[in-house]
Amino acid sequence: KAGVTQTPRYLIKTRGQQVTLSCSPISGHRSVSWYQQTPGQGLQFLFEYFSETQRNKGNFPGRFSGRQFSNSRSEMNVSTLELGDSALYLCASSSTPGTGSGELFFGEGSRLTVL
Amino acid sequence: GEDVEQSLFLSVREGDSSVINCTYTDSSSTYLYWYKQEPGAGLQLLTYIFSNMDMKQDQRLTVLLNKKDKHLSLRIADTQTGDSAIYFCAERGRQAGTALIFGKGTTLSVSS
Repeated sequence: KAGVTQTPRYLIKTRGQQVTLSCSPISGHRSVSWYQQTPGQGLQFLFEYFSETQRNKGNFPGRFSGRQFSNSRSEMNVSTLELGDSALYLCASSSTPGTGSGELFFGEGSRLTVL
Repeated sequence: GEDVEQSLFLSVREGDSSVINCTYTDSSSTYLYWYKQEPGAGLQLLTYIFSNMDMKQDQRLTVLLNKKDKHLSLRIADTQTGDSAIYFCAERGRQAGTALIFGKGTTLSVSS
């Protein structure tokens, strides 16, 4: 069974640009969560999607947005990039939220550098 | 609010046992998890424990949970150089909904 796939793995943008990151969950998983990892703040929750609906949202500005498609693939978008948005963006998938042990399975991440 | 704390570094010799500690604040936590992150990689789920358990063993890994003190530990027996990585403790609490709250991670360094 293939794991969580994130693309692109690495990207460099300049301030003011926007970026879109993609995530394909494990086959059969319908929940996708996004986390931002930085050396200073650690792992912070961005948002979670289930059945194309945002179920939960972390404490990030409106420049950060996401969506989920009918095939469970998800994208996140960051507009008007700032230097502080440089981070590893991790996507995680899980089966049905609120059932079982609810463990998350992470992808390798997309490393964004903003210059 | 919710918080998960871990010590930042741990250094051990190959063959010794490693114990990584974690404290959390949300008494309503249902599940607690341990993840491993190697350089340049994502997070790998190692194990998890349900809040009504106090111990779980999985091969070289032993998780101990003291719910009264909100303390979680991960013991790695016969630590190998390949165990060198960052280890994250995470909780799933009622307040955070479906999100996991992670600690800052403990860097484990194993010397031969």
